[in-house]
Amino acid sequence: EAEVAQSPRYKITEKSQAVAFWCDPISGHATLYWYRQILGQGPELLVQFQDESVVDDSQLPKDRFSAERLKGVDSTLKIQPAELGDSAMYLCASSFGVNTEAFFGQGTRLTVV
Amino acid sequence: GNSVTQMEGPVTLSEEAFLTINCTYTATGYPSLFWYVQYPGEGLQLLLKATKADDKGSNKGFEATYRKETTSFHLEKGSVQVSDSAVYFCALRAVDSGGSNYKLTFGKGTLLTVNP
Repeated sequence: EAEVAQSPRYKITEKSQAVAFWCDPISGHATLYWYRQILGQGPELLVQFQDESVVDDSQLPKDRFSAERLKGVDSTLKIQPAELGDSAMYLCASSFGVNTEAFFGQGTRLTVV
Repeated sequence: GNSVTQMEGPVTLSEEAFLTINCTYTATGYPSLFWYVQYPGEGLQLLLKATKADDKGSNKGFEATYRKETTSFHLEKGSVQVSDSAVYFCALRAVDSGGSNYKLTFGKGTLLTVNP
């Protein structure tokens, strides 16, 4: 069964370092989402792509976070520099279109020390 | 803006007990409604959905009915099992405030623990 792949599963990094997460969506899915889930909270949308274009990044802290999906397939989310408050689960999801079911990856658990 | 409010947990039940997790929403237009489940250390899995008023979503013994008049989508199961222990998220998909994109908005989640 097709699934959304994310790596790494776990990442520990020091404050002020750079960190990157990778996501490979389900083949054929044009819409890709990055969510941040702080412990005990629901997921919050950081950025949404339609193919290679950003359609919503209103909640992305652009001074330190960046996201790209250069060929409209896989995507990378980067944080530079990382802060203690960035410790969270980062979830990637994909869907065929903006109004169809979203499938989630297993997430990357980031701990900033 | 769009928002989801679900009952705070944690909820602790004995096996075979009846489960209700309340969820209400605020949205523009006609949202689709979802329940997702998250097992420890895992991503989210879609449990069930309903796309229009009075629709009932069901899966694995769980049910939820889309009630437009009360803006609610409460999750129910008649007899829970230990394996149902997880965090449950209510979510809606609706057009965002700009009117140009569909956005998936989640509640804060409810932790369910089922004891044998």
